[in-house]
Amino acid sequence: GAVVSQHPSWVICKSGTSVKIECRSLDFQATTMFWYRQFPKQSLMLMATSNEGSKATYEQGVEKDKFLINHASLTLSTLTVTSAHPEDSSFYICSASQLLGGQGTDTQYFGPGTRLTVL
Amino acid sequence: DAKTTQPNSMESNEEEPVHLPCNHSTISGTDYIHWYRQLPSQGPEYVIHGLTSNVNNRMASLAIAEDRKSSTLILHRATLRDAAVYYCILSRGSGYALNFGKGTSLLVTP
Repeated sequence: GAVVSQHPSWVICKSGTSVKIECRSLDFQATTMFWYRQFPKQSLMLMATSNEGSKATYEQGVEKDKFLINHASLTLSTLTVTSAHPEDSSFYICSASQLLGGQGTDTQYFGPGTRLTVL
Repeated sequence: DAKTTQPNSMESNEEEPVHLPCNHSTISGTDYIHWYRQLPSQGPEYVIHGLTSNVNNRMASLAIAEDRKSSTLILHRATLRDAAVYYCILSRGSGYALNFGKGTSLLVTP
């Protein structure tokens, strides 16, 4: 199956600093990537939809100036958490969408996630 | 978006078949039924998807009711590594994000 990587897998930072998370589709090109976050014992919540070469679409309640998304190529999207605070501590997960010929729907492949802890 | 309903948790013995149900009574004609699972501290993993016909792959089988208002994910022989949260999700097509509900937490006991 298709592989999506995330880097780093975990990060601890001080309050007020910025953290960049990379998401790469390793063996396929993804025109659309998604960013989710997951708090303990909760389900995944969509943060934003990212299309290559265009601005990301953010979900209601997600601050676009705080969570900067760049989708520079068909295999790379980055999420930067700016001026991180303890309430931003969460598990951040990206996914990349692959549409195969003959399939009426795409399949999303997820990265392993990034555990962010803000002190 | 059409919603899905799944039991909060299920338990199975190792090497026994597991049938995970999902109700989606408001499914539209263009909605695909997707199943993903998430192991602890990992990103979700694609399991299977279908539209109208039953589907089989190396991981599982998907049985879809004739009226499409429900479906069942079948793990033919549960292993300890199948212990995870299983999500049944409806998706309209390509380019749409997945709406994760609470899923079913599957416990597999030896």
